Amino acid sequence: ILNVEQSPQSLHVQEGDSTNFTCSFPSSNFYALHWYRWETAKSPEALFVMTLNGDEKKKGRISATLNTKEGYSYLYIKGSQPEDSATYLCASPQGAQKLVFGQGTRLTINP
Amino acid sequence: DSGVTQTPKHLITATGQRVTLRCSPRSGDLSVYWYQQSLDQGLQFLIQYYNGEERAKGNILERFSAQQFPDLHSELNLSSLELGDSALYFCASSVLAGRQETQYFGPGTRLLVL
Repeated sequence: ILNVEQSPQSLHVQEGDSTNFTCSFPSSNFYALHWYRWETAKSPEALFVMTLNGDEKKKGRISATLNTKEGYSYLYIKGSQPEDSATYLCASPQGAQKLVFGQGTRLTINP
Repeated sequence: DSGVTQTPKHLITATGQRVTLRCSPRSGDLSVYWYQQSLDQGLQFLIQYYNGEERAKGNILERFSAQQFPDLHSELNLSSLELGDSALYFCASSVLAGRQETQYFGPGTRLLVL
């Protein structure tokens, strides 16, 4: 069974501060690593799909890095804003197609 | 708005009953996925269809079944419902069925079994 783990489970950050959190996954048979953002009362929204070791992707103030050899990915948020408050999920495919999701990091930005 | 639609938005029913959840994928997407989000669990993959055929199966109970129709919409049927089936059920779609495909999630159907 593929275990995808995220830490921390929750995080409170002051508005304007930068933050980061981690997704760990088994490094063997790596296919891809997905990041999603899930706001309360909405549905998960895709942020990034990462496939190559050393990959770095950016979307506005959010960026992510990938290390497939050691099995981790970091998500960074620069200059946090209240609208960044959400649960951030990572997921990795197991077997043919199915995505295995981590439990998420719940981020709260304090104004 | 992801372009994936799900109906109904909310469903309240009783134990032992049967319900059908419906999902319409984004225009052009061939693959549909169903997920369950229970109170204390993360998103759990249930089943995937690609162009009408079952492609992958996850932790889907025997009381649950799904299908994808020729127009590519999908239905998830839940029968002999139990209290523990109360959850948020998401449908997602992607263009193809590969591991690197971005999945676009619908708004979900919240099921409450009383």
